[in-house]
Amino acid sequence: EAGVAQSPRYKIIEKRQSVAFWCNPISGHATLYWYQQILGQGPKLLIQFQNNGVVDDSQLPKDRFSAERLKGVDSTLKIQPAKLEDSAVYLCASSLWTGLSYEQYFGPGTRLTVT
Amino acid sequence: TQLLEQSPQFLSIQEGENLTVYCNSSSVFSSLQWYRQEPGEGPVLLVTVVTGGEVKKLKRLTFQFGDARKDSSLHITAAQPGDTGLYLCAGGSGTYKYIFGTGTRLKVLA
Repeated sequence: EAGVAQSPRYKIIEKRQSVAFWCNPISGHATLYWYQQILGQGPKLLIQFQNNGVVDDSQLPKDRFSAERLKGVDSTLKIQPAKLEDSAVYLCASSLWTGLSYEQYFGPGTRLTVT
Repeated sequence: TQLLEQSPQFLSIQEGENLTVYCNSSSVFSSLQWYRQEPGEGPVLLVTVVTGGEVKKLKRLTFQFGDARKDSSLHITAAQPGDTGLYLCAGGSGTYKYIFGTGTRLKVLA
């Protein structure tokens, strides 16, 4: 079974530029998450989709970040304009309900450096 | 706001030693997960515990969920260099959503 795919793996941009990340979840997983992980810290949830609807985007800086999940499969996360503090790894995950909990499967992440 | 504090933040030990990592919160969680993350990769799920007082074992790793479902521990017996990584706990409450802990970076020296 293929895992969660993300691209690009690395991106370097200057502040005030825009950038987009792409995620393809595991087939059949209805729930998709985008996390931001600052070096050495735990992931912070940015946005959570159930199929193509947003479940939680309370920690998404909506003045600069946007995300969509068209057709309930692939998702893109965009930052426009980027700031220095956006330098982080952006992780995408999809999850499966086991009957007791949601098990999340993560992609390898996109490392963003803003200069 | 729910927070999960992990301790210690960093741990460097010799191969063969035992260690325990703690995950604490003032909030009650319906389930608690532990992940391990290696450099350049996403976190990988190790275990999920859902019942207060539950203990699960995965080879040399023992996971425990506190009776009140507010805390958890991960114990590694006879650590090996392959155990090196960032250990993350994540608490689940309500629909779909998990809050991640602050992380414990473990280094096992050969």
